[in-house]
Amino acid sequence: AQTVTQSQPEMSVQEAETVTLSCTYDTSESDYYLFWYKQPPSRQMILVIRQEAYKQQNATENRFSVNFQKAAKSFSLKISDSQLGDAAMYFCAYRSWYDKLIFGTGTRLQVFP
Amino acid sequence: DVKVTQSSRYLVKRTGEKVFLECVQDMDHENMFWYRQDPGLGLRLIYFSYDVKMKEKGDIPEGYSVSREKKERFSLILESASTNQTSMYLCASVGMSYEQYFGPGTRLTVT
Repeated sequence: AQTVTQSQPEMSVQEAETVTLSCTYDTSESDYYLFWYKQPPSRQMILVIRQEAYKQQNATENRFSVNFQKAAKSFSLKISDSQLGDAAMYFCAYRSWYDKLIFGTGTRLQVFP
Repeated sequence: DVKVTQSSRYLVKRTGEKVFLECVQDMDHENMFWYRQDPGLGLRLIYFSYDVKMKEKGDIPEGYSVSREKKERFSLILESASTNQTSMYLCASVGMSYEQYFGPGTRLTVT
């Protein structure tokens, strides 16, 4: 069975600095999707970034980028030029069959001015 | 924009009551999901549905059932609510790019 592990329950960063959130996963599949979701204090979960395992190039969305290491089964999220609005819970997720998502336990990110 | 709505943001029920949580999506998505979110546990899948009248158990289906009579609507039912079902419940549907669109969540308190 697939599993997703986020080992950092909480992280903090100063505005304009860079922070990296860690995620590791376990699977025996060779082709899959990985996601980072953001849940601000208002609770609406939104997609931050998606990575397809067969693509070697790391995904990037504006200030958000990933470091995808397939052999190491690692999928970290880097947030550059952090903003106050980035403060949220961040969840790493693995897409399983029937589009089921397997989530990590989340990392709470605090951003200090 | 895809919209997923849930019937209530906050709900307080008594132990033993039957509870209905409703979720509606407006994008004709086939796959819909119910998750439960608890601190330190992340999101756990309760049930999902890949078509009308089709349902599959997720990781924690005990004490829950679901109904999907129309494509846009997916209901979660707590047959006899218990205090350990106090939680945040999130509904989601899946688009073509495998992105899951989430509703705002229902915070259920069972007293």
